[in-house]
Order: sequence, then C-alpha cells, then structure tokens
Amino acid sequence: GAVVSQHPSWVICKSGTSVKIECRSLDFQATTMFWYRQFPKQSLMLMATSNEGSKATYEQGVEKDKFLINHASLTLSTLTVTSAHPEDSSFYICSARDRLVNEQFFGPGTRLTVL
Amino acid sequence: GENVEQHPSTLSVQEGDSAVIKCTYSDSASNYFPWYKQELGKRPQLIIDIRSNVGEKKDQRIAVTLNKTAKHFSLHITETQPEDSAVYFCAASPPGAGSYQLTFGKGTKLSVIP
Repeated sequence: GAVVSQHPSWVICKSGTSVKIECRSLDFQATTMFWYRQFPKQSLMLMATSNEGSKATYEQGVEKDKFLINHASLTLSTLTVTSAHPEDSSFYICSARDRLVNEQFFGPGTRLTVL
Repeated sequence: GENVEQHPSTLSVQEGDSAVIKCTYSDSASNYFPWYKQELGKRPQLIIDIRSNVGEKKDQRIAVTLNKTAKHFSLHITETQPEDSAVYFCAASPPGAGSYQLTFGKGTKLSVIP
C-alpha cells in the first residue's frame, strides 16, 4: 500500500514551453501533497504545499505564476512549469500525506531537462 | 521557520562498521523526525522515524536517538553493508505547519567500502 506515482518520469522540452507533471496517490486519499525540487547532489527543497480543493501554499522564493499547482481531487495533484527555462531543469518530486497514518510517501520523481 | 543542519556531508566506513549521522533543528516545537534513504535518481525512502515523546527507536540495524533539550537527533547504522551506500536525509516537522510539512537536512552521502 501507500504508493505514489508520478508522470512523466522524465521530460525534455524546449525553452519557453510548459510542462505538466502529475502526482497520484494510488491506494490512499491524500488531502495534502507536497512538491519538491532537487538539484544534483543537493537536498530536497520544498516548493509548495497543495491541499485538495484549495490554493497551494508556496515557499518563499518560488514563483506561483511560474509553478502552477492544482490539487483537484484527493488522489491527484499537478505541477505545471510554465515558460520553462534551462535553469528550471531539475528533479521534481512529489509526496502525498496519508492522513490515516500521518506519513509522507514520495513519488519516483520527474527529471525535467529544458534545452 | 525550521532549519535543519546535518553532518557529516560525506561518510565512508568499512563494511561491518557503524555509521552515525547527526542532525540539529532550530524549532523546539518540532515533534516528528524522519530519516530517508535516497539512491541515485530514485525517490527518498523512509527508513525510520521518531516522535518527540520518544527518546530512542530501533529497527534491526538502524536506530534513531532524539535529544529534545539539545534539539538534535542521530541515525545509527550498525554492521553496515555495501547496500547501505546511499544519501541519507534527516528531516523535521514542526506542529502547526499543517500536514507534516518537512524541512530536510542537506544530506549525507554514505559509502560502505567492502
């Protein structure tokens, strides 16, 4: 149990395009999902907290208009990187909180490369 | 907000020896401290966690200790094996942050030498 999936697992796009990443909790309901960014050899940096049915809460320094988050259901949150640039290239990982066990479960991550 | 410091950044041990990774946190109200293992290009995997009402927790070769007064917690891996080689992250979660929001340490790259 407690499986979180992400799609796509990797994506390469041209500068200026938008990319959508999906995060799904497959066997539990996640009222809260988190989006992290991880640069090579660095730690996970929280970008935003996504609550089902409400607006996401963004961490300081994260542009909400550039990183659009939608949490439309208890099992799906999406992150859209708008007008992507090479500096947005990173490993994006989501996690979902299982409210029954109060634990976060991580997705496998999405490797974004912007050319 | 919460700040988590983790040391060392890299650690090499001989197979069979013990490894210890230490973290300190700044928010005395934090009450949940998980440890994650992350292999290259993969997701972080929870290996053990501890809550503030407990001082020590053990799971086979892995143990975590918590000193609330000093605001530090440590991961202990005994009888290390090559498959323990990975990056380990500690994290802290303050109450009231809602939904167990985690602040991560910078990570420790553990290398177990056969």
